[in-house]
Amino acid sequence: GEDVEQSLFLSVREGDSSVINCTYTDSSSTYLYWYKQEPGAGLQLLTYIFSNMDMKQDQRLTVLLNKKDKHLSLRIADTQTGDSAIYFCAESGGYQKVTFGTGTKLQVIP
Amino acid sequence: DTAVSQTPKYLVTQMGNDKSIKCEQNLGHDTMYWYKQDSKKFLKIMFSYNNKELIINETVPNRFSPKSPDKAHLNLHINSLELGDSAVYFCASGPTRANEQFFGPGTRLTVL
Repeated sequence: GEDVEQSLFLSVREGDSSVINCTYTDSSSTYLYWYKQEPGAGLQLLTYIFSNMDMKQDQRLTVLLNKKDKHLSLRIADTQTGDSAIYFCAESGGYQKVTFGTGTKLQVIP
Repeated sequence: DTAVSQTPKYLVTQMGNDKSIKCEQNLGHDTMYWYKQDSKKFLKIMFSYNNKELIINETVPNRFSPKSPDKAHLNLHINSLELGDSAVYFCASGPTRANEQFFGPGTRLTVL
């Protein structure tokens, strides 16, 4: 079955860039996503990328996709304390089924 | 004007009881989902309904029974609750043609 892996924890200083990495196994993935979960809340879609793209930029967020290595990353520029949350990578290759990664907890140190 | 709402937000109950969690979305989406998030924050899909029809049913005990009375509602009924059912349950909805999902705030279920 599909498998999506992330490192569990990342700590950065305010103002620095954060890079959260993700690897997946399903070679038929069509969409790849990044979701954000703040404490006590549901997940919120941050951005997504089609599998035929290498990069997508949206304000402070940059998504890089290496389809050959099945590697996805999310870069947050000028990280702020409000960015502290758990970030989930996810992929979808089939009919509406989305497989989520294990989540990376981002801690931003003031 | 909440997009995806769930009730209750917290649910504390004894082992062996039967309980329900309700979900409603006002986004006009065709597809609704139930996810379970465990204490390690691992998120796993349980069910998906499209236009009131079950389309995804992961390996979930048959004590869990989803019910979709209409496109805007997907409720989750759980029989004979067990300690291992303690988790946060998230409802989500999304349009059929795209995979973006909108999540509810979650229901924290604690089984004592």
